[in-house]
Amino acid sequence: EPEVTQTPSHQVTQMGQEVILRCVPISNHLYFYWYRQILGQKVEFLVSFYNNEISEKSEIFDDQFSVERPDGSNFTLKIRSTKLEDSAMYFCASRATRGEQFFGPGTRLTVL
Amino acid sequence: GENVEQHPSTLSVQEGDSAVIKCTYSDSASNYFPWYKQELGKRPQLIIDIRSNVGEKKDQRIAVTLNKTAKHFSLHITETQPEDSAVYFCAASSTDSWGKFQFGAGTQVVVTP
Repeated sequence: EPEVTQTPSHQVTQMGQEVILRCVPISNHLYFYWYRQILGQKVEFLVSFYNNEISEKSEIFDDQFSVERPDGSNFTLKIRSTKLEDSAMYFCASRATRGEQFFGPGTRLTVL
Repeated sequence: GENVEQHPSTLSVQEGDSAVIKCTYSDSASNYFPWYKQELGKRPQLIIDIRSNVGEKKDQRIAVTLNKTAKHFSLHITETQPEDSAVYFCAASSTDSWGKFQFGAGTQVVVTP
């Protein structure tokens, strides 16, 4: 069964540095999402992406964040000038046309 | 925007008993309601979902009910087993828009043998 994959599984960075989190969605999916989950809290929506552009974003997704689909398979989340409060698990998800979103295994980001 | 409330935050049950988790949502445009199970350190996995044109759906020991008028939906797990122990999240979404999920806060279910 196809799965969403994410790399790296764990990223440690210094405050103020830039990080890029990578995702490979399921190949025939059209909609892509990033969510984050701060330890012990609920999963929060960050951004959705369709047809090579952002379709919706939350208030969390400010100018510090950007997404890109640089080729036909990868979907990336860039966080510029990381802050301590950016430490969280970041999940990528994708879906075909309706309904179920398939989640990747997540990238744990630790900002020191 | 959509707001999803989930209760209880923790639920302890004896093996073999039933577990019920309840969620309410605020946006009448929401028409898709999935339930995800998340084991410690793992990705959320869909266990069951329901669309707004259906009032109830069952898959073996798991069932979901939806009351559109009251804007609430519930997850029912019967004959609980220790492997049901996990965090369960409800979510609401509108498939007519971009389909983002608004998640509830999660319920930690502990099934004791």
